[in-house]
Amino acid sequence: RKEVEQDPGPFNVPEGATVAFNCTYSNSASQSFFWYRQDCRKEPKLLMSVYSSGNEDGRFTAQLNRASQYISLLIRDSKLSDSATYLCVVMPYTGRRALTFGSGTRLQVQP
Amino acid sequence: DAGVTQSPTHLIKTRGQQVTLRCSPKSGHDTVSWYQQALGQGPQFIFQYYEEEERQRGNFPDRFSGHQFPNYSSELNVNALLLGDSALYLCASSSDREWRGEDGYTFGSGTRLTVV
Repeated sequence: RKEVEQDPGPFNVPEGATVAFNCTYSNSASQSFFWYRQDCRKEPKLLMSVYSSGNEDGRFTAQLNRASQYISLLIRDSKLSDSATYLCVVMPYTGRRALTFGSGTRLQVQP
Repeated sequence: DAGVTQSPTHLIKTRGQQVTLRCSPKSGHDTVSWYQQALGQGPQFIFQYYEEEERQRGNFPDRFSGHQFPNYSSELNVNALLLGDSALYLCASSSDREWRGEDGYTFGSGTRLTVV
């Protein structure tokens, strides 16, 4: 079983749609959680951290359920520029800070 | 303020050859991590260097080795290249002394290695 599992997609949605991505992780000792965005053939870039209380950044909302070891990302009012691969990332070890990435979920927003 | 610099950007090698990839961390960062990203997959952690020593290693064979220099720059070496080593190799730097959580990592744009 992979440490971080995501639905690979692709998710094809029209502009303005709301789309949700889910992710599960296997290591209950994981300490920190993130969503990264990766454009085609580019490096990953931090989109947002995920906190237990849930957090929002503009059109993006992230949720964490430690009991279920489940992370989600909600994108409201999708824009063409949101088209990318979204990577679910966990940091399992404190003090060493190596990131464990999921395989990513591809989003294609269509006009 | 320069970010993470990786070289070369692209590289083509033949099976069995050896390759060295280079990374200069962001100014002020002292820790370098290397990741391998195969096509259609997420990045996989190779190893992390701090104070010129390998501090943590992922599930990669000994053909993958590295080095960190006193100026914090780093090299990734891969020996006896296999076709399956074809991937985007990403370097990420961070500061161990001043970890800033979610802002802590800066990724370079990567080296795309093709093994033929």
